[in-house]
Amino acid sequence: GENVEQHPSTLSVQEGDSAVIKCTYSDSASNYFPWYKQELGKRPQLIIDIRSNVGEKKDQRIAVTLNKTAKHFSLHITETQPEDSAVYFCAASQGTGNQFYFGTGTSLTVIP
Amino acid sequence: GAVVSQHPSWVICKSGTSVKIECRSLDFQATTMFWYRQFPKQSLMLMATSNEGSKATYEQGVEKDKFLINHASLTLSTLTVTSAHPEDSSFYICSARVRLDGGEQFFGPGTRLTVL
Repeated sequence: GENVEQHPSTLSVQEGDSAVIKCTYSDSASNYFPWYKQELGKRPQLIIDIRSNVGEKKDQRIAVTLNKTAKHFSLHITETQPEDSAVYFCAASQGTGNQFYFGTGTSLTVIP
Repeated sequence: GAVVSQHPSWVICKSGTSVKIECRSLDFQATTMFWYRQFPKQSLMLMATSNEGSKATYEQGVEKDKFLINHASLTLSTLTVTSAHPEDSSFYICSARVRLDGGEQFFGPGTRLTVL
C-alpha cells in the first residue's frame, strides 16, 4: 500500500517568514495530493490540492509543488500569520481509487 | 462546500458496551464515506472505506467484528464500536467523497469516544 512520510513534525517560524513542509510517497500510481489544515479539536480542512498532471499550484499565500519523478510534494506558506498556526497533513490518493493516505502531520507555530 | 455531520460529538461509555457513531452528508450524496481514527497529536489513520449498499473495506489491522460499519444510504454511514474497551478511546472522524475520481473529501467534526 501507499506510505506517506512528512517532515518536519514540528515547525516554528517568525511571523512574516515562509514555512515549507515536505512529503514523500511510495506508490507511483498516486495522482492526487491534497493538503489539510487542522486546528485543535476541529475537523481537517482542505487548503490546497494538486493533481499529478501539474507541477505547481498557487493560491494566494499558499503553494504546492509536485515532483512525480522523485515522488515528493511540498507545501509552501509565505508571509506567515499567527492564524496559520495549526497541524498540517499531506495525503496521497489514486484518482480512480478511494483511499487517502495521510502523512504524520506537521505542527506549525507562527510566532508573533 | 459540502457539509458532513457526525453524531454524537462526544460520548462516554462503560467498558463492554457498544457505541454507534453516525456520519451524514447533509447537502450531497456520498457514494463513498471513510472512517478515520486519530490519537492525540497524531495523524489520521484510515480504518475503513464504506461504499453505499456494499460491505465496507477495512484496512489491514482493523478488526471487522470490533468496528462494524454500515452504509445504508447515500447520506448515512454508521460506525459501531462493539464491546468497547479503554484502548478504543480515541477521536473518530468520518469523511465523504463527492466524486470517485480523486475529488476532495469533506470531513465531519469528529466524535470523541471515552471508554471508562
